[in-house]
This record gives sequence, C-alpha cells and structure tokens, in this order.
Amino acid sequence: EAGVTQFPSHSVIEKGQTVTLRCDPISGHDNLYWYRRVMGKEIKFLLHFVKESKQDESGMPNNRFLAERTGGTYSTLKVQPAELEDSGVYFCASSQDRAKTGGSYEQYFGPGTRLTVT
Amino acid sequence: AQRVTQPEKLLSVFKGAPVELKCNYSYSGSPELFWYVQYSRQRLQLLLRHISRESIKGFTADLNKGETSFHLKKPFAQEEDSAMYYCALRTDSWGKLQFGAGTQVVVTP
Repeated sequence: EAGVTQFPSHSVIEKGQTVTLRCDPISGHDNLYWYRRVMGKEIKFLLHFVKESKQDESGMPNNRFLAERTGGTYSTLKVQPAELEDSGVYFCASSQDRAKTGGSYEQYFGPGTRLTVT
Repeated sequence: AQRVTQPEKLLSVFKGAPVELKCNYSYSGSPELFWYVQYSRQRLQLLLRHISRESIKGFTADLNKGETSFHLKKPFAQEEDSAMYYCALRTDSWGKLQFGAGTQVVVTP
C-alpha cells in the first residue's frame, strides 16, 4: 500500500500568490488531519475531516486558509494569498475509524509539503 | 491548558550509552500519549503509544500521571536511533494530536 501521499513535495511562491497542497490518504481511512510545522516551532494541528465533513478546524490560522475534502477521498489545502509566515512544512495524516481499529488512534503521516513563501 | 513539553532540543549520546528523552504534559482529562519519530528523509511514524505498554526498537516509555511525564528511554543507543523524536498528546475523542517541540537525537560512534 502506498501510504499517505502529498503533492507537491516542495513549493516556492511569492508573497501574495496562491498555493494548493494536496493530500491523498490511505484508502479506506475516514479521518484526515492537516498539521504544519513552522520553522523552529512545534507541529501544530490545523484541521480534521471525517469523510467529507470538517470535524474540527480550530487550528486554521485565518481565513486565508481553505481546506476541502471532496467526496471524502483526497483533500486540498489552499492558501490565498500566501504570507511570509505561512512558510513551513505541511503534514497530512490519516487514520481509520476507531471502531475498526479496536480503539487505536494511530495516525499515518505523509511525507509533508515544504512551503516557502518569499 | 493542554501542553506538551520536551525540554531538550538536542540530545547527543555515544553509541551504547543510555538515552532518555523527556516529555511532560498538562491535560485535564485522561491522557493518551504517543512518541513519534522522524528519521532522516523519512516520514513521521508512530514509535510508541502508552496504552500498548510495549517495547519498540528497544525503546520504552511509561506514563507517570503523578509527575505528568512520558519519558522515552533506551538502555543502549544505536547509531540508527539518530532521528527527531516528538512526544504527542491526544486532545480530543477524534484523535487530534498536540505535539511537543521535538528532540533531535544524535548517536555518535
């Protein structure tokens, strides 16, 4: 199985431009999470989808960030317009429904997208 | 407030020496804690979860609710243990994780 995939692996854009990050979770995983690590800081939660619904978007920094998960499969995270402080590594993770895993919360992470805003 | 603290940014140890990575947490509910590891050029992966009480790659971690700690230990470090280690706390019933800042472990021969 391929695991969680993310595209692109690296994106360099100018301040004010738009970037869209994509995450393909493991097939059959209902839960999809976005996190990000800004340089020198800890990995922080952004939001959580259960299938196509946003369960928790409390970590989204502001309305320049828009996440979608059409059809409950892949997800996109769009940043528009990008600011310098948006630079960092954006991680996606997925997990199965707990009912199927005997209560395990194990999340499987993608390789991350490194976003550089200049 | 929920918080995960990893006080050491960098831990440098010699091969064969014991290694302990500290993790303290603050959480009002029943905590569920994890250690994640990221090896060079690899993705973040789960190393240990406290509910499993297992040893993975020689690492163990015990949840100490009295001290609100979940330190990661290995009696004899190996060079392949060099990596970034993150302590994480589950903060809701849906699995949302709060991470510590991470500890970079460097094992030298």
